[in-house]
Amino acid sequence: AQSVTQLGSHVSVSEGALVLLRCNYSSSVPPYLFWYVQYPNQGLQLLLKYTSAATLVKGINGFEAEFKKSETSFHLTKPSAHMSDAAEYFCAVNFGNEKLTFGTGTRLTIIP
Amino acid sequence: KAGVTQTPRYLIKTRGQQVTLSCSPISGHRSVSWYQQTPGQGLQFLFEYFSETQRNKGNFPGRFSGRQFSNSRSEMNVSTLELGDSALYLCASSAASISYNEQFFGPGTRLTVL
Repeated sequence: AQSVTQLGSHVSVSEGALVLLRCNYSSSVPPYLFWYVQYPNQGLQLLLKYTSAATLVKGINGFEAEFKKSETSFHLTKPSAHMSDAAEYFCAVNFGNEKLTFGTGTRLTIIP
Repeated sequence: KAGVTQTPRYLIKTRGQQVTLSCSPISGHRSVSWYQQTPGQGLQFLFEYFSETQRNKGNFPGRFSGRQFSNSRSEMNVSTLELGDSALYLCASSAASISYNEQFFGPGTRLTVL
């Protein structure tokens, strides 16, 4: 079955530390992959997307993600966390149909 | 360009009532999708419309319905409301195929069912 898994519903990092949010998917063919961010009381904003071009994708606000087919992963990273990065992050996958399947989300807390 | 707008932003209803939520996509976008977001179930796909046709539907009961107008604006309707329908309902628009295109999300309508 096609699915999306985000490991860790809550992640805390110190300001200036590396941010790593994990996303794995289950599919027999490489899907289209997205990371979205949601700030309190707001909708979702696209951070970055993978659409079968470069495997290392750079997004907004200093985030990037690497598509690893062998590991069926699309982890999100940022070298140095900022207080403004505190939000909920969602990995989303399109398995070739006209809808997005979302992971359960990871709430990122930044410790001053 | 104006973003995706959703009205109303907040809504309080009682069990058994029905509700209609509205979504105006970004100008030029022909695809509109609806999602339900709850703390327990996360983000779940409701349905997607393109050029007034429903192309895809999630696993929700028939009480949830939607439609899209010729100007791409979309509405979703929930009849016979249940307590479990309390959620943030998000609308998203996309230029055409959403397989690889970005979906732009509105701020959502927060529905509370008492």
